[in-house]
Amino acid sequence: AQSVAQPEDQVNVAEGNPLTVKCTYSVSGNPYLFWYVQYPNRGLQFLLKYITGDNLVKGSYGFEAEFNKSQTSFHLKKPSALVSDSALYFCAVRESNTGGFKTIFGAGTRLFVKA
Amino acid sequence: DTGVSQDPRHKITKRGQNVTFRCDPISEHNRLYWYRQTLGQGPEFLTYFQNEAQLEKSRLLSDRFSAERPKGSFSTLEIQRTEQGDSAMYLCASSPAVGRDEQFFGPGTRLTVL
Repeated sequence: AQSVAQPEDQVNVAEGNPLTVKCTYSVSGNPYLFWYVQYPNRGLQFLLKYITGDNLVKGSYGFEAEFNKSQTSFHLKKPSALVSDSALYFCAVRESNTGGFKTIFGAGTRLFVKA
Repeated sequence: DTGVSQDPRHKITKRGQNVTFRCDPISEHNRLYWYRQTLGQGPEFLTYFQNEAQLEKSRLLSDRFSAERPKGSFSTLEIQRTEQGDSAMYLCASSPAVGRDEQFFGPGTRLTVL
């Protein structure tokens, strides 16, 4: 069965510092991996995805994520955090091999960026 | 605004009543998803449509829940005989047919069952 773990409920970082939000996954086949962000009173927004190819993927707002197959991880990173990055971040996985479209989301990690 | 829209945004109902929610996806998207989100959790997959065909349905979805997408455009989610445990945010998302797997989410319908 597919699963996603976001081990940190909350991440605190100072503005200008690098940030990392962790995600590990479990699927029986090859994964499609995603990060979404939810700002207060707004819907979920797509940030970036890994389907195939280069393990380092770049997305919106300067975010990037690195796919690590051996560690089954897909951590979200940004070199320099902004106060406006404060939001709820969700990692998600879909199993590519079965042809299905069921997407499993993690419980979310709240990011606080302090000025 | 050409994003995903959901109606109503809020619904308060009494236990045992039936409720129906509507989702209008982005017009050229033929994939449509329904999720349920409770406080402190990520979205939980409920069901998936490709055009008008319901191709996947979560085993967690009881027979009180039904979803339709009759013409491959808008979709409805109905909950019969609501229970307090059904209180949650119900999210709809859509995505294009081929080559792009990211989903575009609507604002959600918040259901409160008294």
